[in-house]
Amino acid sequence: NAGVTQTPKFRILKIGQSMTLQCTQDMNHNYMYWYRQDPGMGLKLIYYSVGAGITDKGEVPNGYNVSRSTTEDFPLRLELAAPSQTSVYFCASSPAGVNYEQYFGPGTRLTVT
Amino acid sequence: QKEVEQNSGPLSVPEGAIASLNCTYSDRGSQSFFWYRQYSGKSPELIMSIYSNGDKEDGRFTAQLNKASQYVSLLIRDSQPSDSATYLCAVRGSSNTGKLIFGQGTTLQVKP
Repeated sequence: NAGVTQTPKFRILKIGQSMTLQCTQDMNHNYMYWYRQDPGMGLKLIYYSVGAGITDKGEVPNGYNVSRSTTEDFPLRLELAAPSQTSVYFCASSPAGVNYEQYFGPGTRLTVT
Repeated sequence: QKEVEQNSGPLSVPEGAIASLNCTYSDRGSQSFFWYRQYSGKSPELIMSIYSNGDKEDGRFTAQLNKASQYVSLLIRDSQPSDSATYLCAVRGSSNTGKLIFGQGTTLQVKP
């Protein structure tokens, strides 16, 4: 199993550009999450999904959109990139049930200039 | 606002010593508690989970939970330089969405 994979690893965007961060998991987990991590800070939840077709906002959703058409994929869309979106983005997944242990992808480092 | 608090450190311990990392949380209804290790430039890696009061041991790691005091800790015995990393405490509330709230992390430095 590859676990959680993310592409790209690095990206530089100009202000106002858009892009999609890809996330795929092969563990058949129902739940998926997108976080951002700013330097020296913890993880902030952007969006999450409890299954295909079901998504909801997290703590910091402004400027982002998501979709979940399959169990495996959970892409994050950035529209009209701003310098404040410069961050490291992590995707995670967890099985539904009692424990909800989350497993993380390797991350995407995004710079908006 | 539900919060998870950690001392950002750095916590510096000599090689072979016990490192003690602490975390407090504000939501009394919290159900699950996790410790993640994050090396610089890498993603968080789950190292311990604990769900009921008391201690849980896994190798050199021991997680301790006290729900009455809203306190969870991680002990690392026989600390090694390879344990130098940031340790993130994460707490799941009472919802069934699996959402976690993360502390800002404690940086641990193990000196040879």
